[in-house]
Amino acid sequence: SQQGEEDPQALSIQEGENATMNCSYKTSINNLQWYRQNSGRGLVHLILIRSNEREKHSGRLRVTLDTSKKSSSLLITASRAADTASYFCATVPYGNNRLAFGKGNQVVVIP
Amino acid sequence: DVKVTQSSRYLVKRTGEKVFLECVQDMDHENMFWYRQDPGLGLRLIYFSYDVKMKEKGDIPEGYSVSREKKERFSLILESASTNQTSMYLCASEESGRSTDTQYFGPGTRLTVL
Repeated sequence: SQQGEEDPQALSIQEGENATMNCSYKTSINNLQWYRQNSGRGLVHLILIRSNEREKHSGRLRVTLDTSKKSSSLLITASRAADTASYFCATVPYGNNRLAFGKGNQVVVIP
Repeated sequence: DVKVTQSSRYLVKRTGEKVFLECVQDMDHENMFWYRQDPGLGLRLIYFSYDVKMKEKGDIPEGYSVSREKKERFSLILESASTNQTSMYLCASEESGRSTDTQYFGPGTRLTVL
């Protein structure tokens, strides 16, 4: 069942700017993951953060996790036109091994 | 790199037809999944499988069945396609034996049922 809820639902920024997306969830989790989907394609895993971690970096990506607020943020620094995509957060609820995806967040980077 | 392939990128079928969507992964993963993706609804899990010949219902199994005769192949079957099954279908695989980790997705099959 769906758990993650991304915010904002759509974001339009200029190339070179930073893009920040938030994800909220409802139950305790084992981990939270972010995926990217280019138009009409499958999802690609970006980064995973475990419930005992607070921040993680991967290249131009920075993910934070606040389990007390049940929220996560994904920051893409120095955005590029190629970052135009939909971004999904997905949670693994505690005691459940199934990923629950949010509805996605559309990001458009204008060259 | 993990590769997950799906038999078709685009498929057009008529109401009542039997439809087979096939998914193959090359990383010897135990776990495989079928999702459908619809605007405003995100990804919804249809069925998944933890091993050969094993299957479990996801959140929306009605109208679908699956087959896992070989480890690398997971098929989704629409016994009698209906227009409300027009959607993007995504297959994914995942390594077993650990708490849920990265899923690797195929490119998707956009199915239109007329």
